[in-house]
Amino acid sequence: GENVEQHPSTLSVQEGDSAVIKCTYSDSASNYFPWYKQELGKRPQLIIDIRSNVGEKKDQRIAVTLNKTAKHFSLHITETQPEDSAVYFCAAMGPYGAGNTPLVFGKGTRLSVIA
Amino acid sequence: SAVISQKPSRDICQRGTSLTIQCQVDSQVTMMFWYRQQPGQSLTLIATANQGSEATYESGFVIDKFPISRPNLTFSTLTVSNMSPEDSSIYLCSVEPFLNTEAFFGQGTRLTVV
Repeated sequence: GENVEQHPSTLSVQEGDSAVIKCTYSDSASNYFPWYKQELGKRPQLIIDIRSNVGEKKDQRIAVTLNKTAKHFSLHITETQPEDSAVYFCAAMGPYGAGNTPLVFGKGTRLSVIA
Repeated sequence: SAVISQKPSRDICQRGTSLTIQCQVDSQVTMMFWYRQQPGQSLTLIATANQGSEATYESGFVIDKFPISRPNLTFSTLTVSNMSPEDSSIYLCSVEPFLNTEAFFGQGTRLTVV
């Protein structure tokens, strides 16, 4: 089955700097890669996602890149703000059928943005 | 989007007892997924619930410990049976209502076993 590795486990950056979180996956059939942000005591919230037919996607300060050949994808947050502090999870999903395939999550990255 | 109502939001239970968690979705979905999130950890899939058949459990999770019901296309329950302190976690249900797109989560059930 799918296995997702995520690095680093913790990341501290100064406010205004960029943060990068990297993930690798094992199943070449996986074709959907979301990123979730989880604040303390809350459910995971989708912040951006990318499909295997796209190499990069941006949404304001957040971007995700995907390298299918190397089977890795990365989250980039620019101009970080204290409210970006949270735990971020990457995930991968296979193409096995609409709504029938669960997400496999990475272990998470605790991001701290220091004001 | 999909709206999932999950309850209870939290509970403190005595060891040896059982707790049933409910998830109600505002639309019909094929599968519902149950995850466990242990303190400070990632989300781990417990099982996949399909209406009309037995749930499919992941390695390390068994039906006797985590029985699941899926009586219709909008509702599912997860029971945590014969609880021990090691079962203290957040339990989340999830659905993927549209073709190969976003997964939606219930608000989670924070379980503490004492």
